[in-house]
Amino acid sequence: AQSVSQHNHHVILSEAASLELGCNYSYGGTVNLFWYVQYPGQHLQLLLKYFSGDPLVKGIKGFEAEFIKSKFSFNLRKPSVQWSDTAEYFCAVISNNAGNMLTFGGGTRLMVKP
Amino acid sequence: SAVISQKPSRDICQRGTSLTIQCQVDSQVTMMFWYRQQPGQSLTLIATANQGSEATYESGFVIDKFPISRPNLTFSTLTVSNMSPEDSSIYLCSARDRASYEQYFGPGTRLTVT
Repeated sequence: AQSVSQHNHHVILSEAASLELGCNYSYGGTVNLFWYVQYPGQHLQLLLKYFSGDPLVKGIKGFEAEFIKSKFSFNLRKPSVQWSDTAEYFCAVISNNAGNMLTFGGGTRLMVKP
Repeated sequence: SAVISQKPSRDICQRGTSLTIQCQVDSQVTMMFWYRQQPGQSLTLIATANQGSEATYESGFVIDKFPISRPNLTFSTLTVSNMSPEDSSIYLCSARDRASYEQYFGPGTRLTVT
């Protein structure tokens, strides 16, 4: 079945540590890839997106993600996390092989210790 | 970008009753969607709200339980009918921009069924 997988359900880091959150998808066809963030008590917000072109995309707040087509992956990275990055992070995919619906991974809850 | 508002922001309802959630988008968008986020879980697509016609439901969701209306390009409602405690969730309205494929989310409606 077509799906989006996030391997880390909970991540705990200290401030200034580097972050990498994994995301893999199983859709074929043309894909558009997204990372969303949900800060405690707030809206879901778009962090970054990949549609085409340079596979390394930069988003808000120092986040970046790399699309590796051969690995069906779109991992999220940040070189140095801050306490304010504590949130839940969702990877999501739109595929023309899946009716162009936005489908979410299970989410990763990140806690950054001050 | 689109700004999405939802009413009510939260409600506590009795088993067997129905609740209608309203969603307003501040700009004309191509597509509107309704998602559910159960406690501690990711977002699941309930349906696509189609303007002037019946909504398109995902597997596991039916019109009798979740009737949806979309009378124009900027407004939609979702009704949760004959509620049971299992319907306790956050219900989110979402809208997609035709040009950019970016999808925006409302703040959600937190529903508790007792």
